[in-house]
Amino acid sequence: GESVGLHLPTLSVQEGDNSIINCAYSNSASDYFIWYKQESGKGPQFIIDIRSNMDKRQGQRVTVLLNKTVKHLSLQIAATQPGDSAVYFCAEKGGSYIPTFGRGTSLIVHP
Amino acid sequence: DTEVTQTPKHLVMGMTNKKSLKCEQHMGHRAMYWYKQKAKKPPELMFVYSYEKLSINESVPSRFSPECPNSSLLNLHLHALQPEDSALYLCASSQGAVLTDTQYFGPGTRLTVL
Repeated sequence: GESVGLHLPTLSVQEGDNSIINCAYSNSASDYFIWYKQESGKGPQFIIDIRSNMDKRQGQRVTVLLNKTVKHLSLQIAATQPGDSAVYFCAEKGGSYIPTFGRGTSLIVHP
Repeated sequence: DTEVTQTPKHLVMGMTNKKSLKCEQHMGHRAMYWYKQKAKKPPELMFVYSYEKLSINESVPSRFSPECPNSSLLNLHLHALQPEDSALYLCASSQGAVLTDTQYFGPGTRLTVL
């Protein structure tokens, strides 16, 4: 059956603040990383990706940082809006086209 | 059109029923996937089809049977399911089997097994 008491890490922010969502990945051989956003009742949606030969990549209001030394990935969202409220998953690919999803973080944006 | 569609949105079935989930994409993608997602957990890979052939089966019980009738369609046939199979079933597709190919997900089918 389903695990009882399993909670997603949660990040609560005020509208307009910057948000930072962190992810620790497991496979040192992973060379491609993706952030997905999953809103309630929807499937995961691609936000931004980064290859292992980069340490930073910027999109529209989002920035992904990669620290391969400590196997850490972060997603920064600038000027967070209520529409950013969702669960955010990091995913890694290491030699395969199939992503392995991380645990997920629930972002709650308060107006 | 960058959309993956799934039907039905919701499905309630008994343990003796047979039902099917359907997934469709018209992006010309050649890789299609089934995932299972329990509440507050990440998606778990079940099956991968590449060029209409089953390429990965993640040790899924035989009560789940995938089918890829053509390059645009992916079905998941369900038979004799258990209550613990209740979950959100997600379909996804990608251009191919390249590292940087982006997966596009459908909205999922919320399955409840009574």
